[in-house]
Amino acid sequence: DIQMTQSPSTLSASVGDRVTITCRASQSISNWLAWYQQKSGKAPKVLIYKASTLESGAPSRFSGSGSGTEFTLTISSLQPDDFATYYCQQYKSYPYTFGQGTKLEIK
Amino acid sequence: EVQLLESGGGLVQPGGSLRLSCAASGFTFSSYAMSWVRQAPGKGLEWVSSLTGGGGGTDYADSVKGRFTISRDNSKNTLYLQMNSLRAEDTAVYYCARTLRQLWLGFFDYWGQGTLVSVSS
Repeated sequence: DIQMTQSPSTLSASVGDRVTITCRASQSISNWLAWYQQKSGKAPKVLIYKASTLESGAPSRFSGSGSGTEFTLTISSLQPDDFATYYCQQYKSYPYTFGQGTKLEIK
Repeated sequence: EVQLLESGGGLVQPGGSLRLSCAASGFTFSSYAMSWVRQAPGKGLEWVSSLTGGGGGTDYADSVKGRFTISRDNSKNTLYLQMNSLRAEDTAVYYCARTLRQLWLGFFDYWGQGTLVSVSS
């Protein structure tokens, strides 16, 4: 199975900050990676797919990059609505696997 | 508008069975692979199972293989998850998710609101 490891697990930041979350795969997944945002008690929503393609309707302050085994999700200027938990997910091979999540908290 | 509505969750004893349903609307159901993803209380996301649009291809996480069965009725736009021999560790919110395939596999572009399954005596 492909293991996905996110860092950090928790991130404290302020409105207006630029933040970056990292996701590493245990083997190359090319660019078959998605990023999701999940707010407490709600279903996840996809933000980015194929490592860097912004999902329709997702705010342009979100961007993704990387290929192979190392990927990043960047929020260019944090908004109050962005405080949530973020997950990466690989879809290179079964079983689909997710990172353990990064909780973005208000500083 | 794409909508996915899960039902069928509840409290069940260890060793028991439960069938989850996911009613889909707003898209051509038979054209899309569908999946179940679960989330244990306070934990992260775990993929459970996926099924191709025609229903002929299935895949399961090792943790549920042999106990869970995914199926679909394209005439009713409904996805199912039959869960047998339930264990305490199956306790989770179960989400159905539309799977947008790119090449062979895909990502989850729409999710239902989830249904809670609790396994306890």
